[in-house]
Formats: sequence, structure tokens, C-alpha cells
Amino acid sequence: DTAVSQTPKYLVTQMGNDKSIKCEQNLGHDTMYWYKQDSKKFLKIMFSYNNKELIINETVPNRFSPKSPDKAHLNLHINSLELGDSAVYFCASSHTAGANVLTFGAGSRLTVL
Amino acid sequence: GIQVEQSPPDLILQEGANSTLRCNFSDSVNNLQWFHQNPWGQLINLFYIPSGTKQNGRLSATTVATERYSLLYISSSQTTDSGVYFCAVGDSSGNTGKLIFGQGTTLQVKP
Repeated sequence: DTAVSQTPKYLVTQMGNDKSIKCEQNLGHDTMYWYKQDSKKFLKIMFSYNNKELIINETVPNRFSPKSPDKAHLNLHINSLELGDSAVYFCASSHTAGANVLTFGAGSRLTVL
Repeated sequence: GIQVEQSPPDLILQEGANSTLRCNFSDSVNNLQWFHQNPWGQLINLFYIPSGTKQNGRLSATTVATERYSLLYISSSQTTDSGVYFCAVGDSSGNTGKLIFGQGTTLQVKP
């Protein structure tokens, strides 16, 4: 039973397209996150939601829009994709916001051509 | 913001050898975690260790918060230990769960 699941695992698309990545956790956690890992393996937080409320928005372009329909789901929609958006996007969750253990999903590799 | 530096950036070991990975951070933290990213890309939490010492099998970690560093020890390394090890910290001024990652240490264990 996967704790944090992301779909799709791989996504290849053309510049200018719009795409979405979905994330679901079955751990009963209150807080969910999106992290981006670039080609040099550097991991950086993008967004965080606590009980469906946005609590972190890390200077991410407006083309990225997260949406949390309930506390078990956090989706990421990206408009007008650019070459620089190519990366691995990781969803994660923790029991609450604050100093808690993070559990990551398997990642979604996005390639923009 | 808080800076996180890991050393060494790369490490090659023979199977059975021991190693120590270091994580330095620039400010006080309320959260410190070590992760292993395996060759398939999966990020696995190894330790939640804002202070003190913990052990889990062949792995152990120590954080000296007052001196702003943490160490990850790997003993009797195995080829399955290969991958990238990340240290991530949360600064004590916030309560959002945000983690700032170091650049990682890439470990290759040769048979």
C-alpha cells in the first residue's frame, strides 16, 4: 500500500502545453508539499498546504498552480510549459506543519521538448 | 536564509568499508533529517535527528546543534548503500515544515 503516490511517473510534452501531476497520501497527514529536483539533483521546496490551506509559496512562477481539494490530495498544474521546467517533481507529506518527518512520493519526471 | 553544506560531494568505497558524511548548517534548526536517494530516484527518510544520536542497523547519525553540524555514519558498506545522501534542515524561526536541502553526497560502493 503506497503511502504517497504520484501520477504520472513520467511526462514528456512540448513547450507551451499545460500539464498536471497528481498526488495522494494515505497516511492521514495534515500537511503536503511539492519539491522540485533539478538536473544537478538539487531539491527545493515549491509549495506546502496544511489542511487544504496554502502555507508556503516559494517564489514560484504564476504558471505553477497547486490545488488541494482535501487534505489527502495535492495536485500541481503547470501552464505554458518551458524548457526550464524539466525536472523531477516530488510530492511529500508530514503529520503536521512544523518539525516533522517527511515522507516522499516516488517522483514525477517531467521532460519539456 | 539558512545555508546547508554537505561534504564530501562524492565518495567511492569498497564494499565493507566505513564512512562518515558531514552536514554543516549556518543557523539554529528545529528539524534535521537525513535522506537516501537510491539509484531509482526514491527518497527514503533515514533519520529525524535535530539533536543527539540515533542508530538504525549499520547506519547511525549524530547532530551537535550547538555547533551546527550533523554526521551520518555508514559501517560495513554494501553496494545497496549507493546513491545520494541528503541532509535537510528546518530553521527554528518558522513552523511550516519547510526543509532546506544540502547539495548531497553521492556515494558509490564497489563490490
